[in-house]
Amino acid sequence: QVQLQESGPGLVKPSETLSLTCTVSGDSVISGNYYWSWIRQPPGKRLEWIGYIFYTGTTNYNPSLKSRVSISVDTSKSQFSLNLSSVTAADTAVYYCARAGFTISGVVHYFDYWGQGNLVTVSS
Amino acid sequence: QSVLTQPPSASGTPGQRVSISCSGSTSNIGSNTVNWYQQLPGTAPKLLMYRNSQRPSGVPDRFSGSKSGTSASLAISGLQSEDEADYFCAAWDDSLNGPVFGGGTKLSVL
Repeated sequence: QVQLQESGPGLVKPSETLSLTCTVSGDSVISGNYYWSWIRQPPGKRLEWIGYIFYTGTTNYNPSLKSRVSISVDTSKSQFSLNLSSVTAADTAVYYCARAGFTISGVVHYFDYWGQGNLVTVSS
Repeated sequence: QSVLTQPPSASGTPGQRVSISCSGSTSNIGSNTVNWYQQLPGTAPKLLMYRNSQRPSGVPDRFSGSKSGTSASLAISGLQSEDEADYFCAAWDDSLNGPVFGGGTKLSVL
């Protein structure tokens, strides 16, 4: 059974960096069949894709966040992490990590396993 | 940023059939497959449909999906109280070079 679990602080101060880690069990982040992704959902708003990483370290980020986002992978711990810098209140959201299947052309098919979500509030 | 458009709400009575629409553009639904997620209150989204009409293992065949042009729809037949949830559509967007989501439809079972 594949499981993903987010961990990290629930409160971050404005202008600081939001850091979250996702621990994967029941699968390996070095599986060549999936991207490891971050998605967020601000209160009352739609889901927003943040970015994803392949086990090789190749990344793809949402252009609207690209200047502030970094996703990394630690294959030894079966974890991948999100850093979002210079946060503001607009970054308050539930942050999900998810596994993404993709086509041979690299297009994400779907997100088939999700973590339970980590609410991050940006406030002083 | 490209987005997908869904009605904010839908409703039906037990046993009825309801349909939820998802409208996009040539850069997303028009060029790529659609998937649907069900989100029960306070929980993470669950994959409900992928590649327009494929159900993951464990999803009842009461749920069906279709796509035509730049629109897609999710149909639920034999509506049950446990179907009360938010439903989101999603698709890859070629302009964004990433996935986009609909705003979600809150389904109420009256």
